[in-house]
Amino acid sequence: EVQLVESGGGLVQPGGSLRLSCAASGFTLSAHDMHWVRQATGKGLEWVSAVGIAGDIYYLNSVKGRFTISRESAKNSLYLQMNSLRAEDTALYYCARVSLNALDVWGQGTMVTVSS
Amino acid sequence: QSVLTQPPSVSAAPGQKVTISCSGSSSNIGNNYVSWYQQLPGTAPKLLIHDNDKRPSGIPDRFSGSKSGTAATLGITGLQTGDEADYYCVAWDSRLSAVLFGGGTKLTVL
Repeated sequence: EVQLVESGGGLVQPGGSLRLSCAASGFTLSAHDMHWVRQATGKGLEWVSAVGIAGDIYYLNSVKGRFTISRESAKNSLYLQMNSLRAEDTALYYCARVSLNALDVWGQGTMVTVSS
Repeated sequence: QSVLTQPPSVSAAPGQKVTISCSGSSSNIGNNYVSWYQQLPGTAPKLLIHDNDKRPSGIPDRFSGSKSGTAATLGITGLQTGDEADYYCVAWDSRLSAVLFGGGTKLTVL
């Protein structure tokens, strides 16, 4: 079964750091573009970052310089290193796979709360 | 504020048809593929339409997509109460080098 499972969320103080993980099963993660998408409670979906098959990387402007996307083939996993966290980064973070020019498989999400 | 503009809400009766619009520009919808997603309450988004008008396997033909110029439309026929959800359009923006989500449309089946 094709599946994505996120982990690593939690409560962190403003200015703190978290590393989110997304473990893939049933497919080879490095054979797909992969994305992170977030959703604040009661709000819409917001794209955060993407890494392409060729290693090209893209970020939402407001997270550039603070977030780093990466992947590890040996662990078939995607990561999002989040530094200098702000209250506005509080959200449920999803990882998603690209196929058919769309985000065809999504994880269940991991919650990040930035608060003092 | 989303660069892809969707109506905040739409509603229709069971069995009826509804359309959800998504308006963008030449740097996103006008020159890139549009996809549509359904998000039921408390769940992760689900892909409904890819490549503007194609349905992944398992998506019923009650759902359809179209694109004209810088606008896209999701159509849902034979509405069911189980279709009550938030719907999002998505497109790559070549100028921003970023993925754009529409603000989302809440569908109510009266």
